[in-house]
Amino acid sequence: AQSVTQLDSQVPVFEEAPVELRCNYSSSVSVYLFWYVQYPNQGLQLLLKYLSGSTLVKGINGFEAEFNKSQTSFHLRKPSVHISDTAEYFCAVSGVGGFKTIFGAGTRLFVKA
Amino acid sequence: NAGVTQTPKFQVLKTGQSMTLQCAQDMNHEYMSWYRQDPGMGLRLIHYSVGAGITDQGEVPNGYNVSRSTTEDFPLRLLSAAPSQTSVYFCASTGGSYNEQFFGPGTRLTVL
Repeated sequence: AQSVTQLDSQVPVFEEAPVELRCNYSSSVSVYLFWYVQYPNQGLQLLLKYLSGSTLVKGINGFEAEFNKSQTSFHLRKPSVHISDTAEYFCAVSGVGGFKTIFGAGTRLFVKA
Repeated sequence: NAGVTQTPKFQVLKTGQSMTLQCAQDMNHEYMSWYRQDPGMGLRLIHYSVGAGITDQGEVPNGYNVSRSTTEDFPLRLLSAAPSQTSVYFCASTGGSYNEQFFGPGTRLTVL
């Protein structure tokens, strides 16, 4: 079984500042890791994913995430945020070979002018 | 290629009423899921299907039924609506080898 913990429920940040959204997971098997973004009143869309290989994964809109196996973390980062990045971000984990995906509770990112 | 579609977008029910939320995908994905989204709780899996004719329960299945007669369609039925089922419901299909999920736009349900 897998579980996901997003360590911050809300993250306020000023425009052009860097941001990190934290995610820890637990699993007894190898996993795929994902970050999804949900803009207001919309469904979720994939931001980036870690499958294997390089631990630094780049996604859309300038986001990147780093997989740390020893710390079982998959933190999301962006060096300079924009107002348009205001959204809710979900970390998710799926077991390799399975289909079920477990989502974290979400982190609401507020970007202020 | 429409992806995942859901209808209706909004629905208001009275306690005890039943209804079906529709979900369809045109990507020929075998795996489909229904989630509910509530503030501070992320997405919780209600039911899922690994192919036509095969469904199983997720984390919060009580009060909901599903069926999967075709690969494309995966309707969610509320048998007797309760205020606790007020939520936003998302349907998703999973494609490729790496479990990427494609989400519909959601149905916002209010039960009075």
